[in-house]
Amino acid sequence: GNSVTQMEGPVTLSEEAFLTINCTYTATGYPSLFWYVQYPGEGLQLLLKATKADDKGSNKGFEATYRKETTSFHLEKGSVQVSDSAVYFCHNAGGTSYGKLTFGQGTILTVHP
Amino acid sequence: DTAVSQTPKYLVTQMGNDKSIKCEQNLGHDTMYWYKQDSKKFLKIMFSYNNKELIINETVPNRFSPKSPDKAHLNLHINSLELGDSAVYFCASSPTGQGGNQPQHFGDGTRLSIL
Repeated sequence: GNSVTQMEGPVTLSEEAFLTINCTYTATGYPSLFWYVQYPGEGLQLLLKATKADDKGSNKGFEATYRKETTSFHLEKGSVQVSDSAVYFCHNAGGTSYGKLTFGQGTILTVHP
Repeated sequence: DTAVSQTPKYLVTQMGNDKSIKCEQNLGHDTMYWYKQDSKKFLKIMFSYNNKELIINETVPNRFSPKSPDKAHLNLHINSLELGDSAVYFCASSPTGQGGNQPQHFGDGTRLSIL
């Protein structure tokens, strides 16, 4: 089946530090992979996506590459800001119609000035 | 204009009561979802509807009953509320019925507190 395993948090960084949040997936078929961000008091928002192997999604300085050989979709940012403090979710959309929808357990990121 | 709107935003009620949460989307999407988020931020899918038909029904107590009067609305009714129902409930929608490869759009959540 389709699932994701996401790096446990919380993660605390200083401003301008490098960020990596690990996500690995299992899949039957070829699912699209997403990262969502949830700011305090809000719902999830799409951050970036990749639809096939070797695709790189990017947005707001964040990047993630769909790696089939390692079944990974790690989220990275070279220099985090205080405003990046949020909860980040990896999502395996599933490769079949009406397949299971699976979100990672969420990683709470706190960035200090 | 709000794309996915939920009401109410906050819901405080006593154990044993029955309550409903409403969700509407103006994106023209075919598929809608309900999720429960606990205090540790873990997000669990509860239900999914495609064009008013139930397509995902996870292991959820039968006190929870979704209802979709049309594809733009998916409401959640909860009977006999229990302390463990305290959580944030999110509605979401996506543009296809494929259940998969399109991003979901989320509402801002309904914060349910059971006294």
